[in-house]
Amino acid sequence: EPEVTQTPSHQVTQMGQEVILRCVPISNHLYFYWYRQILGQKVEFLVSFYNNEISEKSEIFDDQFSVERPDGSNFTLKIRSTKLEDSAMYFCASSLQRTEAFFGQGTRLTVV
Amino acid sequence: DQQVKQNSPSLSVQEGRISILNCDYTNSMFDYFLWYKKYPAEGPTFLISISSIKDKNEDGRFTVFLNKSAKHLSLHIVPSQPGDSAVYFCAASGVDGGATNKLIFGTGTLLAVQP
Repeated sequence: EPEVTQTPSHQVTQMGQEVILRCVPISNHLYFYWYRQILGQKVEFLVSFYNNEISEKSEIFDDQFSVERPDGSNFTLKIRSTKLEDSAMYFCASSLQRTEAFFGQGTRLTVV
Repeated sequence: DQQVKQNSPSLSVQEGRISILNCDYTNSMFDYFLWYKKYPAEGPTFLISISSIKDKNEDGRFTVFLNKSAKHLSLHIVPSQPGDSAVYFCAASGVDGGATNKLIFGTGTLLAVQP
């Protein structure tokens, strides 16, 4: 069964450093998303990506964040200068159309 | 701004009985609703969805009911099995006028199915 894969599973970084979280969405899907879940809180939408551009972003997705689909298969989330409060599980998801989104296993980001 | 609410943080049921998880929403523009199951340190797994044009959708042991007038939906699991023990998230999306399908999640309900 097709699945969304994310790497790495766990990333530890120092405050102020740049991190790139990687995702391979399901191959025939058209919409791509990043969500995050801070420990003990609900899953929050960050950004959606369609037709090679951002289609929507939340207030959380400020200038420190960027997304890219560099090669037609990977979908990346970059955080330019990490803060302690960026520590969370980051989930990539993809969907075919206005249907259910399928999520990856997540990347646990720990900023120290 | 809690547009999607799951007021029960936890639920415990006996194996073989019915589990009923509830979800309320406030935004009348939501037109598509989903339930996800999540184990610790894993991503949400899609379970079942329902469009606002329906009031019921069934898939095996899982049935979702939608009451649009009450802005309420529920997930029924019958019979409940120990492997169903997980956090269940309700999520909703609405037409934003663009090519997007942002999901708004509830806070989740931890279901424990006792053998």
